[in-house]
Amino acid sequence: DAGVTQSPTHLIKTRGQQVTLRCSPISGHKSVSWYQQVLGQGPQFIFQYYEKEERGRGNFPDRFSARQFPNYSSELNVNALLLGDSALYLCASSPDRGPNYGYTFGSGTRLTVV
Amino acid sequence: GEDVEQSLFLSVREGDSSVINCTYTDSSSTYLYWYKQEPGAGLQLLTYIFSNMDMKQDQRLTVLLNKKDKHLSLRIADTQTGDSAIYFCAERPEGYQKVTFGTGTKLQVIP
Repeated sequence: DAGVTQSPTHLIKTRGQQVTLRCSPISGHKSVSWYQQVLGQGPQFIFQYYEKEERGRGNFPDRFSARQFPNYSSELNVNALLLGDSALYLCASSPDRGPNYGYTFGSGTRLTVV
Repeated sequence: GEDVEQSLFLSVREGDSSVINCTYTDSSSTYLYWYKQEPGAGLQLLTYIFSNMDMKQDQRLTVLLNKKDKHLSLRIADTQTGDSAIYFCAERPEGYQKVTFGTGTKLQVIP
């Protein structure tokens, strides 16, 4: 079975631009969460979606938005990019909202803002 | 709010045991996780423990939890060069979706 897949793996954007990151959860998983990992730090929670509805939001500005599709895949959108948005963006999936055994993470999308 | 702290760096010789420490602050029932991150990769879940447990062992990995001090440790027996990575401690209070990660401990294994 395929794990959590994210695309693209790397991308470079210019300040002020908009970016869309994509995530496909493990087959059968209905929950997708997004995390931002700045170099040298631990991941920070951005959003969780379960059954196509937002179930949790971290302390990120409104420039960050996300959605989940009927097939449970998800997109993370970031508008008006800032240099500080440069990070590894991780997607995690789980069968339900809060599994005891933790989330399965993808390999991430490395975003560089110049 | 939740806060998770770890030491930044640990160096051990191949074959020795490694002990990575973590403290957390949430006082409610919580799940505690250890993740491993190799360079350029995502996070790999190693093990987890619920806050009503004291210890969990899984092959070379032993997790110890001191609930009174809110101290969590991960012991890796017979550390190998392939164990070199960054190890993250994380917690998720029961009933919540957000996972709070520490800053990570970089483990260097010397051959």
